[in-house]
Amino acid sequence: AQSVTQLDSQVPVFEEAPVELRCNYSSSVSVYLFWYVQYPNQGLQLLLKYLSGSTLVKGINGFEAEFNKSQTSFHLRKPSVHISDTAEYFCAVSYGFNKFYFGSGTKLNVKP
Amino acid sequence: DGGITQSPKYLFRKEGQNVTLSCEQNLNHDAMYWYRQDPGQGLRLIYYSQIVNDFQKGDIAEGYSVSREKKESFPLTVTSAQKNPTAFYLCASSIGGGSLNTEAFFGQGTRLTVV
Repeated sequence: AQSVTQLDSQVPVFEEAPVELRCNYSSSVSVYLFWYVQYPNQGLQLLLKYLSGSTLVKGINGFEAEFNKSQTSFHLRKPSVHISDTAEYFCAVSYGFNKFYFGSGTKLNVKP
Repeated sequence: DGGITQSPKYLFRKEGQNVTLSCEQNLNHDAMYWYRQDPGQGLRLIYYSQIVNDFQKGDIAEGYSVSREKKESFPLTVTSAQKNPTAFYLCASSIGGGSLNTEAFFGQGTRLTVV
């Protein structure tokens, strides 16, 4: 079955420290990968997406992610987090023309 | 501005009542989706529609119904058969229509509480 696994449900980190949020997906020939951010009681906002081309994808708010086909991973990284990055982050996958599959989410808690 | 509008933002329902959540988009997208979000469970797909007058069940369709009479509208009805309806409901859309799904756009959500 097609699926997305986010290995960490919560990630605590101090302000200005680096962070990595992990995501693994079910392998397929064609895969399109996304990271979304959700603030409390709001919808999801796209951070970045991988459709093709360079495996290192840069997004908004200083986030980036690397597509690793051999490890079927798409981990999200930020070199220095800010208090305002506290939110829940969702990894998602699409296999082209149909629906999107979402992970269970990772809550990032940035501490001062 | 183009986007997805969900209404109302908060909704209270008595047990045994049906309630309808509204979702409207002006992005000219063919595909629309309804997700349910519960703490620690991520987003679970309720129903989706790839084109007007057609829709398919998602992973947790029991107790829900939808219609897609217009391209821009995809209302979700939570029926009395849904045993645990209290949740945050998110509507989304994507270009669909046989085109590559490059992104899903989300509304701001409706929080439904059964009282």
